[in-house]
Amino acid sequence: QKEVEQNSGPLSVPEGAIASLNCTYSDRGSQSFFWYRQYSGKSPELIMFIYSNGDKEDGRFTAQLNKASQYVSLLIRDSQPSDSATYLCAVNPFNKFYFGSGTKLNVKP
Amino acid sequence: GAVVSQHPSRVICKSGTSVKIECRSLDFQATTMFWYRQFPKKSLMLMATSNEGSKATYEQGVEKDKFLINHASLTLSTLTVTSAHPEDSSFYICSAGSLGGNEQFFGPGTRLTVL
Repeated sequence: QKEVEQNSGPLSVPEGAIASLNCTYSDRGSQSFFWYRQYSGKSPELIMFIYSNGDKEDGRFTAQLNKASQYVSLLIRDSQPSDSATYLCAVNPFNKFYFGSGTKLNVKP
Repeated sequence: GAVVSQHPSRVICKSGTSVKIECRSLDFQATTMFWYRQFPKKSLMLMATSNEGSKATYEQGVEKDKFLINHASLTLSTLTVTSAHPEDSSFYICSAGSLGGNEQFFGPGTRLTVL
């Protein structure tokens, strides 16, 4: 399932910095876009979702969507060591969910 | 969000045996349930989508006779791995969603090890 592409990382950022995670998708029919966080050995946790072009902010997290470029990103401000995890991008065409391979984020104290 | 449970959380079985995994939506009527498989350091791969009371829709490359899915009620779906082999060892995760809905709620996953 190559509908969703992510850089596998690892992405290393110092504590307090902004982490930027990127995702591209192939199905132009996708209407909903999701970011999940997954800790090792656990199932994914929803961080946020976005439907409309532009930015959506929720606390330290900002999702950005550009449907023309088929690109969605997640910014994490004031990164904390507890944010260290794998971040999965998912799209939702036709009531199914397809996930990217995930980007591993390391936040160094 | 809704609470979804899976049982068992971990199972070890011998090659050739069948294993049943239960997925329960505890406080949410799940018209749709999704089953995923995740190999180490890989992403979630959608195996099948099941709607309550109807046959599951399997993704390309997933053997429907090997991975039997039953979604008999709005709160319970089961995945049976038949004649399991070591290559079936994986992390199996279910999620629950509503018809036409845009969110899904994940269960905690089941770690299957086939010896």
